[in-house]
Parts: sequence; structure tokens; C-alpha cells
Amino acid sequence: GQNIDQPTEMTATEGAIVQINCTYQTSGFNGLFWYQQHAGEAPTFLSYNVLDGLEEKGRFSSFLSRSKGYSYLLLKELQMKDSASYLCAVWSGGYNKLIFGAGTRLAVHP
Amino acid sequence: DAMVIQNPRYQVTQFGKPVTLSCSQTLNHNVMYWYQQKSSQAPKLLFHYYDKDFNNEADTPDNFQSRRPNTSFCFLDIRSPGLGDAAMYLCATSSRGLSPYEQYFGPGTRLTVT
Repeated sequence: GQNIDQPTEMTATEGAIVQINCTYQTSGFNGLFWYQQHAGEAPTFLSYNVLDGLEEKGRFSSFLSRSKGYSYLLLKELQMKDSASYLCAVWSGGYNKLIFGAGTRLAVHP
Repeated sequence: DAMVIQNPRYQVTQFGKPVTLSCSQTLNHNVMYWYQQKSSQAPKLLFHYYDKDFNNEADTPDNFQSRRPNTSFCFLDIRSPGLGDAAMYLCATSSRGLSPYEQYFGPGTRLTVT
């Protein structure tokens, strides 16, 4: 089967750090993506991990552990504009498509 | 600077009245995808084109059809929209369909069925 789990909602304070977790089960794992989606807008690409470890890109970092079926997205120095949904998505080689989680809605408050 | 364009951004149609959503891209990508996304849910893949090859998801209703007349354009046709088809429809492209490469999304078309 295929399954992607991430928390439904999170809140955090401006300037703080937040970690959004994602666990997955899929056939033929071939990479994990994180997308940001503001309300009513299209998802935009944040990161891609295919090997274990941490990928850092500015204020955003993404971690992958393939053996644990686990990833997280780390957002530092939070800004109000970071309030959005964050979608974890896995490329399933078995199904040859990108499988999305339902997203984590992050609210950043002053 | 727009890369994946969807028209219209908002579409209202009546129950049972056919509707067509359009997507165009300036990236010259060979793969184009159509997703349906309902509120607070994951985007759900409906079908995709790898060049001219059409790939339908097993659970995509027959009510949904697609056309890709050339590399740049792709259309989603809903033959008889029901109330349950109200959703955001996202078009996406990628450069190599059978590899896990980044997908570029359009802004989406929000469909309302009355």
C-alpha cells in the first residue's frame, strides 16, 4: 500500500524554528519532495531528498531517513509569510507517480 | 515569466453542463499532469501525458477526459460535472516523466458546480 502521514496543523511564533514531520510507506521509493502551498494557490517546490541526510537551502532544511520512512522539513527564522500548507510528497517507482500527503497547515503568529 | 498557465482561474458551471479547463506551458516539458485537489486534501492525480502517450489513473472517473493537441497545451474536459467535482484543478509539468523530477505547477482553476 501507499500512505503518507503528516500533522494536520501546527502553530509557531515569528522568528522561531518549526519542524514538520512526514512518515511514508510506498512501493518503490524514489525520492521525497516538500512543497509549500499558500491558500488558493499552486504548490511551489521547496526541496528534494533521495539520499539519507540533511539538505539545507537557506532558511529551509529537509531531512530523510529511508530506513525509517521518515522525513522532516525544518523552517528557521519564521516569517509571517511562511504561513501556508506544507505538502510532503513521495515519488513511487512502483506506481510511477508522485503521491502527496494531505499537507500540514502552518500558522505563524507574531 | 509565467511558466505554467491555467485558464480560467475561476470557473462556475451548472450541474451536468460540460466544462473545459485549459493549461499551457512555456517550459517545453514533455510531461503534463492534471490533479484534483479538494479543500484540505492532498492533490489527487487524475491522468498525465508523457509526450503524446496518455496515462489514466485507475480510479479516475470516466466523466473526466483530457486532450493534448501539442507540447504546450493540455485540456481537462468534464463531460457532466457533479457537485462532487467542485475542487481546485492543478496542472503540472516535468521534464522527464519516468524519473522523479520536480513538477512545476500552474496556479490552478477553482471549479464551482451549481
